[in-house]
Amino acid sequence: DAKTTQPNSMESNEEEPVHLPCNHSTISGTDYIHWYRQLPSQGPEYVIHGLTSNVNNRMASLAIAEDRKSSTLILHRATLRDAAVYYCILRDVWGGNTPLVFGKGTRLSVIA
Amino acid sequence: GAVVSQHPSRVICKSGTSVKIECRSLDFQATTMFWYRQFPKQSLMLMATSNEGSKATYEQGVEKDKFLINHASLTLSTLTVTSAHPEDSSFYICSAPRLAGYADTQYFGPGTRLTVL
Repeated sequence: DAKTTQPNSMESNEEEPVHLPCNHSTISGTDYIHWYRQLPSQGPEYVIHGLTSNVNNRMASLAIAEDRKSSTLILHRATLRDAAVYYCILRDVWGGNTPLVFGKGTRLSVIA
Repeated sequence: GAVVSQHPSRVICKSGTSVKIECRSLDFQATTMFWYRQFPKQSLMLMATSNEGSKATYEQGVEKDKFLINHASLTLSTLTVTSAHPEDSSFYICSAPRLAGYADTQYFGPGTRLTVL
């Protein structure tokens, strides 16, 4: 899987939007952009994924740059429960039964 | 939605004993499961890939005789830490992929915290 670069940590106030950036300049045409997060003392959980177009689901939105070399995970209103480590991971469309490779991710702190 | 469970969630054992951790996919079948280890303040590190009906494949540096993996059915994989030592204390997490369209989603268990005294 191609490499991604994320800030080590970010901080947000509760109830405010959070934009978590991810750079992936070596992304290939068949790579999906996946986001997972890991709450304290839990296993990671899927957040969202996309290929080219922006994506929305009940948890977050994913904004993908036109050249696909970067993306941004958007939490529209951060809550204390969103404090977690967020991982941006590229997955080949034919990745199938291959494991996720985790980088260091971004540790998000939410301040009440 | 898909759920992966792990048992036990927490275990404390004496040095030299063996510990078995179970990973189950609850509402889907998984021919492949993955085992990760996570030390405090670090990211998840892949240990091995568990394959139903065949031998597991281990990442470089992971001792296959120490970390025994058995994928006995399409919904169960077990990791046995043999002759555990304090340095094996860690958070062990399993995952299973589920293909949906052209992209798979991985479902993770809640993790097992192992403490070796």
